[in-house]
Amino acid sequence: KQEVTQIPAALSVPEGENLVLNCSFTDSAIYNLQWFRQDPGKGLTSLLLIQSSQREQTSGRLNASLDKSSGRSTLYIAASQPGDSATYLCAVRGTGANNLFFGTGTRLTVIP
Amino acid sequence: NAGVTQTPKFRILKIGQSMTLQCTQDMNHNYMYWYRQDPGMGLKLIYYSVGAGITDKGEVPNGYNVSRSTTEDFPLRLELAAPSQTSVYFCASRVDSNQPQHFGDGTRLSIL
Repeated sequence: KQEVTQIPAALSVPEGENLVLNCSFTDSAIYNLQWFRQDPGKGLTSLLLIQSSQREQTSGRLNASLDKSSGRSTLYIAASQPGDSATYLCAVRGTGANNLFFGTGTRLTVIP
Repeated sequence: NAGVTQTPKFRILKIGQSMTLQCTQDMNHNYMYWYRQDPGMGLKLIYYSVGAGITDKGEVPNGYNVSRSTTEDFPLRLELAAPSQTSVYFCASRVDSNQPQHFGDGTRLSIL
């Protein structure tokens, strides 16, 4: 069974710093990997989706990379802002599976 | 642009009661999903549907039932509420397997 791990569980950084969030998964046979943002009391907002054939995806200040062979993905946030404070979740979809396997998330706090 | 709409937002049930969590999407998506999110845990898939009239079990289906009579609606039914079903429930949809999932804002359910 696919296991998804996110470290650290929580992270505090001063405004303006660049930061990296990590996601690892145990089964490298994935179809795609998705990064989400979750604000308190809210649902999940999709940030980036990387297909298994891709190495990275970029959207604004966000860049996600995927190394399928090592079972790792990173989410890079440039020039962090207080509005980036949220929980960030990664989820992988296995080949042949129609659901996502989620990590437990990294809670990010950006201090003004 | 409503997206995925879940009702109710909050509910308290007594043990043994039943209720239906409603989910509707206006994006004409074929795929719909129900997840539960427990504190400190990743989201777990309860049931999913690949189109009207087709449903299948996810990772944690016991104690729940679903139906998919239309493309838009995917209700989740709890027949005999138990304290272990206290959780936040999220509904999600996507147009096809290569696209990101879109989530509703969740239903916070407490069973006492």
